[in-house]
Amino acid sequence: KAGVTQTPRYLIKTRGQQVTLSCSPISGHRSVSWYQQTPGQGLQFLFEYFSETQRNKGNFPGRFSGRQFSNSRSEMNVSTLELGDSALYLCASSLARMGGQETQYFGPGTRLLVL
Amino acid sequence: GEDVEQSLFLSVREGDSSVINCTYTDSSSTYLYWYKQEPGAGLQLLTYIFSNMDMKQDQRLTVLLNKKDKHLSLRIADTQTGDSAIYFCAERGLGLRSQGNLIFGKGTKLSVKP
Repeated sequence: KAGVTQTPRYLIKTRGQQVTLSCSPISGHRSVSWYQQTPGQGLQFLFEYFSETQRNKGNFPGRFSGRQFSNSRSEMNVSTLELGDSALYLCASSLARMGGQETQYFGPGTRLLVL
Repeated sequence: GEDVEQSLFLSVREGDSSVINCTYTDSSSTYLYWYKQEPGAGLQLLTYIFSNMDMKQDQRLTVLLNKKDKHLSLRIADTQTGDSAIYFCAERGLGLRSQGNLIFGKGTKLSVKP
């Protein structure tokens, strides 16, 4: 079974631009969560989508948004990019909603550099 | 609050055992996880333990959980150079911050010397 895939793997943008990252979960998995990883803050939870609905959201500004499609694929969008948005963005999928007995499996991440 | 603490670095010799420690604060944690991250890669799930267990063994990996002290450890037996990576401890609690999602430690960088 194929793992979680994320595209693109690397991205360079400039301040003020917006960016869209994509995540395809493991086949059959319906929950997708997004995390931001930076050297200073470590791994921080962004949001979780299940059945095309955002279920949980971390402590990030409204510039960070996402959506999930009927095939469980998810996208996250960051508008008006700031230098501090440079990070590795990780997507994780699980069979069902987090909070139950679910284990998350992570993709390789998208490394975003904002200049 | 909900927080996970790990030491940042650990250096061992090939063939020795490695022990990576973690403390957490959310007493409602249901599952505790260990993930491995190699350079330039995502997170690989190594193992997990349910909060009502004390120990879990999986080949070279042994997880010990002291729920009273909120202390979790990962022991890697016969450590190899390929084990060099960053190891993350994570809890999944039911508190306001985690809401069922994962709270990660900052990671322990394991260096294995030949």
